[in-house]
Amino acid sequence: ETGVTQTPRHLVMGMTNKKSLKCEQHLGHNAMYWYKQSAKKPLELMFVYNFKEQTENNSVPSRFSPECPNSSHLFLHLHTLQPEDSALYLCASSQESVGYGYTFGSGTRLTVV
Amino acid sequence: QKEVEQNSGPLSVPEGAIASLNCTYSDRGSQSFFWYRQYSGKSPELIMSIYSNGDKEDGRFTAQLNKASQYVSLLIRDSQPSDSATYLCAPSGSARQLTFGSGTQLTVLP
Repeated sequence: ETGVTQTPRHLVMGMTNKKSLKCEQHLGHNAMYWYKQSAKKPLELMFVYNFKEQTENNSVPSRFSPECPNSSHLFLHLHTLQPEDSALYLCASSQESVGYGYTFGSGTRLTVV
Repeated sequence: QKEVEQNSGPLSVPEGAIASLNCTYSDRGSQSFFWYRQYSGKSPELIMSIYSNGDKEDGRFTAQLNKASQYVSLLIRDSQPSDSATYLCAPSGSARQLTFGSGTQLTVLP
């Protein structure tokens, strides 16, 4: 596997469910990101991890909980979500210096019912 | 004022024409600039990067940067229907993170 891999590709969950999104990067990068992209809206930065340490939390509701056990893996734990949380969730990685840009995974299309 | 501004479009050009996409940014500390292409329902894909004032060409794509004017653009020559997508401008900020514009939707008409 190369690049940034996200699983699952699609997820439908009820408002009382608990689920997790997984992201894995095989690029040797040391920074990882979660973004949310709703229909017809720009990318919204949610969380940033540098060298496994969370360096940014963009006022994200506590029903979203990130976890970064090592520089290659990133999780987004979801619980008691709302229908408005339905969106495309994108993981990205980069070198700690952004001179090379971000590499995005293919995303998880989440639908909350 | 938004940190990164792009015309949302849609921008329509005929096949074979030049598509011109513009972007202005507010952070004068930005050093690296990126253009991403995003097809509907897909994730953004990096297509161009530029770091110095002037032009940078890669195939049919040319990125132009003017730091004094805080302006970056992307030209697509000989536009093809497969170029129809949303193009995101992303300068790096002083926080060493990318800030994404809302994107310009481009449609290339056959």
